[in-house]
Amino acid sequence: QQQVKQSPQSLIVQKGGISIINCAYENTAFDYFPWYQQFPGKGPALLIAIRPDVSEKKEGRFTISFNKSAKQFSLHIMDSQPGDSATYFCAAGQTGANNLFFGTGTRLTVIP
Amino acid sequence: NAGVTQTPKFQVLKTGQSMTLQCAQDMNHEYMSWYRQDPGMGLRLIHYSVGAGITDQGEVPNGYNVSRSTTEDFPLRLLSAAPSQTSVYFCASSYSITHPVEPQHFGDGTRLSIL
Repeated sequence: QQQVKQSPQSLIVQKGGISIINCAYENTAFDYFPWYQQFPGKGPALLIAIRPDVSEKKEGRFTISFNKSAKQFSLHIMDSQPGDSATYFCAAGQTGANNLFFGTGTRLTVIP
Repeated sequence: NAGVTQTPKFQVLKTGQSMTLQCAQDMNHEYMSWYRQDPGMGLRLIHYSVGAGITDQGEVPNGYNVSRSTTEDFPLRLLSAAPSQTSVYFCASSYSITHPVEPQHFGDGTRLSIL
């Protein structure tokens, strides 16, 4: 059973556009929600993370929006660039726990 | 500072063979883990360790064995390879054992095919 559901599976965006990736979870004990970026042939790298005590976190062009009541969170990439083309994974975990539960990934392609 | 280093990068095995995937980190991290990445499945935790001599099972441990004799190294052993173990394997580490997944530093993976 997938603990974190991610959509869409793939996404094509024009340069300068906004990329939006959505995730949903069921376990209300989760209190740590990171997003990882993965380029081909490389391991995932932490992009940005949020905790449920805030509804939004922004780092440069990347923003996480968090809706605790709906148990959903999303990644917004503003002014998308071809260099953002990668696979993005959302994840969820619990403080102190030894596991992160990953979504199935979204392959983003930004067209010049 | 190399971070997390995984070897080999690619490997092809025959069913029934055994092998060890190597993982080393030079960041003095206490927590280390192994994930497998399969299409449409995301990453799933196989085994983890919170320090030398301490290991535990993750979400999908069957068919795999680990040990942690030093802080730096955390090898993953396939006991008798099966086609279902064809996957990309990632090793990860983090500094804190009280918040072990925040964040995790991943290696570049080992792509394993089992025929």
